[in-house]
Order: sequence, then structure tokens, then C-alpha cells
Amino acid sequence: GQQVMQIPQYQHVQEGEDFTTYCNSSTTLSNIQWYKQRPGGHPVFLIQLVKSGEVKKQKRLTFQFGEAKKNSSLHITATQTTDVGTYFCAALMEYGNKLVFGAGTILRVKS
Amino acid sequence: GAGVSQSPRYKVAKRGQDVALRCDPISGHVSLFWYQQALGQGPEFLTYFQNEAQLDKSGLPSDRFFAERPEGSVSTLKIQRTQQEDSAVYLCASSIGVPSYEQYFGPGTRLTVT
Repeated sequence: GQQVMQIPQYQHVQEGEDFTTYCNSSTTLSNIQWYKQRPGGHPVFLIQLVKSGEVKKQKRLTFQFGEAKKNSSLHITATQTTDVGTYFCAALMEYGNKLVFGAGTILRVKS
Repeated sequence: GAGVSQSPRYKVAKRGQDVALRCDPISGHVSLFWYQQALGQGPEFLTYFQNEAQLDKSGLPSDRFFAERPEGSVSTLKIQRTQQEDSAVYLCASSIGVPSYEQYFGPGTRLTVT
């Protein structure tokens, strides 16, 4: 079936270091959403990207959508312990009506 | 108002039992989704309702799984004759519009089949 590959699976960083997670699809996407899930919690919406090449920022978080609308990235500058959790990309395929979630990237921050 | 709520939060079922999981979406949200999340994995789509109409049930793993939303608000996911592989967290999400809108997730029901 349709898949969205997300890497890395896991990243452990020192507080203050940067973090990036990548999401890739073999097919063109209609849009891509990013969610954060804290340990023991449920996914919480962060942002949605729709346009080719789109870049959006939320404080220390930068989200990008590729020019071909097949990949996306989330970059966190100067991580803090509050950034801990699993970050999921969720893709809506062209002509699709359901979100396909990546496997997520687990972020651990060492203080 | 309140967010998405789900009940029960935890359910332990013996293999072969039937279970029913409830989801109360945000008031006024047209779309409702059910997902299954295994440990260490992302949510996997099960089914989607727009109001009371079930528009997509392609993710339901077998005919033991059944979902309904008879009045276009509360939804129930029923699993008949539970099996161990059904053990997972079942998440419900609602959205104000079509699936391209952001989804608001409930806390989930953790189902353990023994």
C-alpha cells in the first residue's frame, strides 16, 4: 500500500543541539501534516504544508515541503527538554481521503 | 469546548470476547477517524466518517471490526471475537472538515487481549 518513510527512527541529542527528521513518499502528496506525541500521550497537530517548496516556522521549529511534493522535513533549532517526544509526519496522497502516518522519529534530549 | 474524548481509557478482554470502544468528537466536527497504533509505530488508518456516512473503511483489518456513527456525532468501534493481535491503542480523531484539515486526537483506548 501507500507508504511514507520517516527517518531517523530515533535520535538522542544534547540539549541545545539541533534535530531534523525527514519524511519521504514515492508518490506526490496533496499535503503533509506534522504531529507531536509526548510519551503516554496522543498525537497533537503542529502544522500543515500544502504548497510546493513551502517553508513555515514556529519559533524554533522549521517545516519544509519539497518542490516535488514528495518529501518534507522538520528541523528544531537548539533543542530543549520540552521537545522530547515522537514526531510524526502524516501525508494526504493526491486524490486520497486519509492520512498516512510515518513511523515517527523519537527524540530524546539530554540535559 | 472540550476536546475529543474516548472511553474506556483501558480495556482488558479475554480472547474471544467482544469489545466496544466509544468516541465523542468535538462538537460540530464533520469528520471522524479511527486509527490503530501499535507500540512504537505511527497511527494506522482504520476508517473515516463524514457525518453519519462511512466513506472509507479500507483500513479495517477484518470483518471482526465494525464502526458506526449513526447520528453523525458519537462513534463506536466494535471488535468481535477479539484476538491477541488486536492489542493496541485505538485512537479517535475528529476534524472540522474534509481529511485535509488538521485532526484533533482523543487520548485513546488501550486494548489488551489476554
